[in-house]
Amino acid sequence: DAGVIQSPRHEVTEMGQEVTLRCKPISGHNSLFWYRQTMMRGLELLIYFNNNVPIDDSGMPEDRFSAKMPNASFSTLKIQPSEPRDSAVYFCASSRPLGGGVGYTFGSGTRLTVV
Amino acid sequence: KNEVEQSPQNLTAQEGEFITINCSYSVGISALHWLQQHPGGGIVSLFMLSSGKKKHGRLIATINIQEKHSSLHITASHPRDSAVYICAVLRGGSARQLTFGSGTQLTVLP
Repeated sequence: DAGVIQSPRHEVTEMGQEVTLRCKPISGHNSLFWYRQTMMRGLELLIYFNNNVPIDDSGMPEDRFSAKMPNASFSTLKIQPSEPRDSAVYFCASSRPLGGGVGYTFGSGTRLTVV
Repeated sequence: KNEVEQSPQNLTAQEGEFITINCSYSVGISALHWLQQHPGGGIVSLFMLSSGKKKHGRLIATINIQEKHSSLHITASHPRDSAVYICAVLRGGSARQLTFGSGTQLTVLP
């Protein structure tokens, strides 16, 4: 298994531009999580999906952020318009169903820089 | 007060030393994770445990549910162990999200 795959690894964009981050979870994992990591705030949960359905998006900072999971093998996190304070590392993680253990696997992250 | 507290925040050790990182939490949990993050790197799950003790190579993780406390030990530390170690708890019940500690920056000097 290739693990959780995120793309791109690095993204540099200008303020105001739209940014789309992508994640492919591990096959068979039915929960998917988007996290953001900054020096100031550490790791924060943005949103998580269970069986492709958004369960908790209370961590999404504002309306500029949106996430979708159109199928079990793909999710996107979009920021439109991007701002410099969005600069962070964004991690995607997936986990197995309840009852099958709760092990998490993280992707390598996308380092976003908004200038 | 944070729900997950780690100590110390920073730790510098000489190669070969025995290292302990502590994690205390204040909420009911169903599992606790120890994660490792190298500089500029991704996050790797080292252990997931809900009771007792687990061992993998030179790493040992213990948890005391009654005391709401977990420790990560590294025996015979090596410079390649230098990383940030993060404790994360999975709350009890049906909630699936992790609550993270602020991490411990470990530096092992040769």
